[in-house]
Amino acid sequence: EDQVTQSPEALRLQEGESSSLNCSYTVSGLRGLFWYRQDPGKGPEFLFTLYSAGEEKEKERLKATLTKKESFLHITAPKPEDSATYLCAVASGTYKYIFGTGTRLKVLA
Amino acid sequence: DAEITQSPRHKITETGRQVTLACHQTWNHNNMFWYRQDLGHGLRLIHYSYGVQDTNKGEVSDGYSVSRSNTEDLPLTLESAASSQTSVYFCASSDSGGAYEQYFGPGTRLTVT
Repeated sequence: EDQVTQSPEALRLQEGESSSLNCSYTVSGLRGLFWYRQDPGKGPEFLFTLYSAGEEKEKERLKATLTKKESFLHITAPKPEDSATYLCAVASGTYKYIFGTGTRLKVLA
Repeated sequence: DAEITQSPRHKITETGRQVTLACHQTWNHNNMFWYRQDLGHGLRLIHYSYGVQDTNKGEVSDGYSVSRSNTEDLPLTLESAASSQTSVYFCASSDSGGAYEQYFGPGTRLTVT
């Protein structure tokens, strides 16, 4: 059964304290892995797409990496405005998108 | 700028009533999706469409229906609303021909009393 698991469920960081969020997956035929940011009361906002193991993408303080079984979202020197829920999703061989339950990140000033 | 809109943003209805949630996108995307988001479950796929006149069931489709008469719109209908359908509903769209990122609407919060 296709599955996406994110950890930790919640994370509190001090401003400037770097960390990583994990997304592990088991799917039959990975077509792509996606990271989204979701603010309270809003729809998910697209961040990155990764297609193959070894691929990396960066945007400001965020860097996403992909292996054959998991992806990491690295947050370097986070700021309070980075506080949000981060969602991971995979597209399987049938082009279905499966979402994890997210990591709630809180960055304290 | 292209966007995806949903209406209404909030809706309260009674058990047994039929409810339709609207979704409109100006991305000109062929693929459109409906999800529900509940605590502890993340986003779950209700229905999806790969083009006009095409509709497909997702993992939680019971009690819901969709129709696709044009590229821009994919309305979601709850045939007879139940309390278990109280949730936040998101519409999304994506380009076709591969596994592409989805663009989401702002969501509709539905309460069934």
